[in-house]
Amino acid sequence: DAMVIQNPRYQVTQFGKPVTLSCSQTLNHNVMYWYQQKSSQAPKLLFHYYDKDFNNEADTPDNFQSRRPNTSFCFLDIRSPGLGDAAMYLCATSRISSGANVLTFGAGSRLTVL
Amino acid sequence: RKEVEQDPGPFNVPEGATVAFNCTYSNSASQSFFWYRQDCRKEPKLLMSVYSSGNEDGRFTAQLNRASQYISLLIRDSKLSDSATYLCVVIPFTGGGNKLTFGTGTQLKVEL
Repeated sequence: DAMVIQNPRYQVTQFGKPVTLSCSQTLNHNVMYWYQQKSSQAPKLLFHYYDKDFNNEADTPDNFQSRRPNTSFCFLDIRSPGLGDAAMYLCATSRISSGANVLTFGAGSRLTVL
Repeated sequence: RKEVEQDPGPFNVPEGATVAFNCTYSNSASQSFFWYRQDCRKEPKLLMSVYSSGNEDGRFTAQLNRASQYISLLIRDSKLSDSATYLCVVIPFTGGGNKLTFGTGTQLKVEL
């Protein structure tokens, strides 16, 4: 039944060792987002794709990259994770319409950096 | 000033109580407003959209006050299962449909 699926759910990596998190969706939504959420903080938008158009937030570090090879999949690459990158990474999707823009989230990938 | 601000709580209330949260937003041009619920270590899920005329869904009532730039969420007859963090979400400007801004959330604990 899950419509936005994230893998892995839990990722442990070493300082500086690259990590890739994946997100897939069965909703055929045209927008996909990556949010970073640290403990007791608001989800922070890193970037989003509107179809194939990539939109980076101004304060997203260069250490974070993303790929969207097709409508269904989106990846978050962390090139050199630091201790400060430990967080929950949330993928979300939406279909932009004339009405309110509602996000559907995946269950998240929790990253631990040793 | 943050774009979206919430009292982090926690709000500790007895089962059956009525509790209300407010959320203020800084951009007067903000167009769309939502309440999401997030359980501990889980993803946020849409609770309800907030309409200009106010809206109700069972025990939950959401209201928008544009003049004072805040939205509110009222929960009546609180249940233990209502314990969660409630996130206020705002689309900050017209045409910004892609950019949802989250508050830090208000934590609710409903106790026996």
